[in-house]
Amino acid sequence: SQTIHQWPATLVQPVGSPLSLECTVEGTSNPNLYWYRQAAGRGLQLLFYSVGIGQISSEVPQNLSASRPQDRQFILSSKKLLLSDSGFYLCAWSVPGLTGTWGAPQETQYFGPGTRLLVL
Amino acid sequence: EDQVTQSPEALRLQEGESSSLNCSYTVSGLRGLFWYRQDPGKGPEFLFTLYSAGEEKEKERLKATLTKKESFLHITAPKPEDSATYLCAVFSGYSTLTFGKGTMLLVSP
Repeated sequence: SQTIHQWPATLVQPVGSPLSLECTVEGTSNPNLYWYRQAAGRGLQLLFYSVGIGQISSEVPQNLSASRPQDRQFILSSKKLLLSDSGFYLCAWSVPGLTGTWGAPQETQYFGPGTRLLVL
Repeated sequence: EDQVTQSPEALRLQEGESSSLNCSYTVSGLRGLFWYRQDPGKGPEFLFTLYSAGEEKEKERLKATLTKKESFLHITAPKPEDSATYLCAVFSGYSTLTFGKGTMLLVSP
């Protein structure tokens, strides 16, 4: 069966510090991978998705970046954190299949346990 | 732009008291509607996918239905362990997944 891991589970960082969150998936090959942010009182916001190694699509402008160095590894980074970066970060995966008119993946997504980030 | 509105924002039920959660959507050509359950401090857990109006799916005490404008998540004889936030999300022909803000359900014994 497939398993998705995220670490760390919780992180407290000062404003202006760098960030690296990691997500790995086991039990599947060539998954589509996603990073979401969930802020208090707001819905899940898609930040990035990847359909393959080195292929990253960004959904919203921000000071975050994503990378996919290996097939089942997805990393979320920042060079300098802002207070507004605080939130619950979720990684998700899906089995490639359906795509929308502009190529965005449209399969069922399965979420990891999340990382709680607090920027002070 | 796709929009998803969930109501109510919060719902408190007594154990055994059946009710329904609503998810109304505005999209350009629905490709799929998803229901997830999210426990506090955890990632969403997939429940159902619905693709076309009239479709229904069931899992234990939960039943999801879909019309051309909305979806309902019916909860029959809920138990305290059904307490969670329930999220609705949609795909249209042009977008990635768009989520609603969720309904927080509390079932009291």
